[in-house]
Amino acid sequence: GNSVTQMEGPVTLSEEAFLTINCTYTATGYPSLFWYVQYPGEGLQLLLKATKADDKGSNKGFEATYRKETTSFHLEKGSVQVSDSAVYFCALSNNAGNMLTFGGGTRLMVKP
Amino acid sequence: DGGITQSPKYLFRKEGQNVTLSCEQNLNHDAMYWYRQDPGQGLRLIYYSQIVNDFQKGDIAEGYSVSREKKESFPLTVTSAQKNPTAFYLCASSIGVYMNTEAFFGQGTRLTVV
Repeated sequence: GNSVTQMEGPVTLSEEAFLTINCTYTATGYPSLFWYVQYPGEGLQLLLKATKADDKGSNKGFEATYRKETTSFHLEKGSVQVSDSAVYFCALSNNAGNMLTFGGGTRLMVKP
Repeated sequence: DGGITQSPKYLFRKEGQNVTLSCEQNLNHDAMYWYRQDPGQGLRLIYYSQIVNDFQKGDIAEGYSVSREKKESFPLTVTSAQKNPTAFYLCASSIGVYMNTEAFFGQGTRLTVV
């Protein structure tokens, strides 16, 4: 079956620092890949997605590139803000008989 | 605006009582899901439904029940058999269960047993 592995948190950064949250996956077929963000006390919001190899998803300064050769979808942002403090989930879905699969989440804490 | 609505946002239950969490979507999605999230943890799938009048157990279905009488609605009942029900519950929907598409989430219901 499918699986998603994220780096464990928390990740603590100072404002304006560079962010990388690693995500690797195993899957059959050709999955779509997603990053979701969860702010305290709220549901998950889709942050960005990529549907095929070499696609780059981007939103709100975050970006991630679908790397089939390394089965990775790392989340990056050049300059984080305090308001980016949240939990980030990597996920995948495919049409090969497996459901939407989430990683365990990575908590990001940005200090002023 | 299209979306998923969960209610209530906060819910308190006495031990031994059943309680039902509401989830409604107007996205015309066939698939709906219930997840449980414990503090500092990821998501665990409780139940999912691919179509009206059909639903399947997820990884932690014991002590929970669902129904899917309408496409728009997928209520979750937390029964007294659930030994540790205090958690954050998230409802989601997608076009289909086995498709290359994202899920859309509600704002969650925080259930506390008192």
